[in-house]
Amino acid sequence: EDQVTQSPEALRLQEGESSSLNCSYTVSGLRGLFWYRQDPGKGPEFLFTLYSAGEEKEKERLKATLTKKESFLHITAPKPEDSATYLCAVQEPERLVFGKGTKLTVNP
Amino acid sequence: GAGVSQSPSNKVTEKGKDVELRCDPISGHTALYWYRQSLGQGLEFLIYFQGNSAPDKSGLPSDRFSAERTGGSVSTLTIQRTQQEDSAVYLCASRFGGRGGRDTQYFGPGTRLTVL
Repeated sequence: EDQVTQSPEALRLQEGESSSLNCSYTVSGLRGLFWYRQDPGKGPEFLFTLYSAGEEKEKERLKATLTKKESFLHITAPKPEDSATYLCAVQEPERLVFGKGTKLTVNP
Repeated sequence: GAGVSQSPSNKVTEKGKDVELRCDPISGHTALYWYRQSLGQGLEFLIYFQGNSAPDKSGLPSDRFSAERTGGSVSTLTIQRTQQEDSAVYLCASRFGGRGGRDTQYFGPGTRLTVL
């Protein structure tokens, strides 16, 4: 069965302090890797989909990259409003398999 | 347009009672999913609908759990004889494409179920 592991479990940054979140996966034939953001009490909000190694996507202060074994979510000069849990998932044929998430806190 | 909606947003019930959770997917989305998110756990897949059919219900934890979808739209997840371990946030997601598609799943806000 596909496995998705996210690290670290929690990350605390100062505003403006750039960092990266990791998502490692084992899957036979990647169909898609998804990043979501989840705020407390809300459902996951879609950020990015990556399909092949070497692919990169950007949105504001976030940049997602993909290799054959892992994906990184780079956060550049984060702001307090970037505080959330970031979820990574891989697509099995008819479902998403999620990691447990990284809880990011950005202090002003 | 409207996103995925779920009702109720919160449900508190007593052990042994039955509950029904509702999901309204994005209009035109043919695929619908139910997931469960427990404290400290990742999102766990429960069931997948394509149209009104459920090709994959392998994630349902026991025969107390069932789901249906009517008119290719609204879905209801029913939990019979609730147990305390059923307490979790139940999330619904929908996707536009057909079976095997790689397009994005969009999630609703979830129903928080508490079983006393």
